[in-house]
Amino acid sequence: GAVVSQHPSWVICKSGTSVKIECRSLDFQATTMFWYRQFPKQSLMLMATSNEGSKATYEQGVEKDKFLINHASLTLSTLTVTSAHPEDSSFYICSATRGQGGGKLFFGSGTQLSVL
Amino acid sequence: ELKVEQNPLFLSMQEGKNYTIYCNYSTTSDRLYWYRQDPGKSLESLFVLLSNGAVKQEGRLMASLDTKARLSTLHITAAVHDLSATYFCAVGSGGATNKLIFGTGTLLAVQP
Repeated sequence: GAVVSQHPSWVICKSGTSVKIECRSLDFQATTMFWYRQFPKQSLMLMATSNEGSKATYEQGVEKDKFLINHASLTLSTLTVTSAHPEDSSFYICSATRGQGGGKLFFGSGTQLSVL
Repeated sequence: ELKVEQNPLFLSMQEGKNYTIYCNYSTTSDRLYWYRQDPGKSLESLFVLLSNGAVKQEGRLMASLDTKARLSTLHITAAVHDLSATYFCAVGSGGATNKLIFGTGTLLAVQP
């Protein structure tokens, strides 16, 4: 089956630094990828929709200058948390879809970000 | 704006018992998903429901979809401890983009 690889699995950083998270589709081309954030014991909140070769579409309340998304190829999307603060500590999950419309989404393994 | 609600939020049940998790959503959608999440892990896909009246079963889990009522159910039959996890429903939004809005989640604890 399709596999989505997310890296790193966990990262600890100092407040004020930037962290990049990668999401790769390993055996298919993903025209669209999604980034979610999940706080402890809460649901997944969609942050943005990432389309290859174009600007990401951010959900209401998500700061696009803080969470930079780049989808430069059909197999890679990156999320950069800029000037991270402790309140950005969360579990970040990406997902990718093989095509458009219905069918399965494939989720990455998630990245646990802890900002000290 | 699409909103997705699940109930109950927390479910403690004994092994061997049956129970149902409910997922309600606020606007029309053409697809609904159920996922399982273990602590600290990503999501495991359980079911994809694409039409009114769709019913899918895998092991002790069975999911159904009523698009007219905007309701999906996840039924657990004869629960076992290994089913302990958090279960999410997610509803498709945004037409062709496969964008999903997740429910609040149900933490299931199956007691021996």
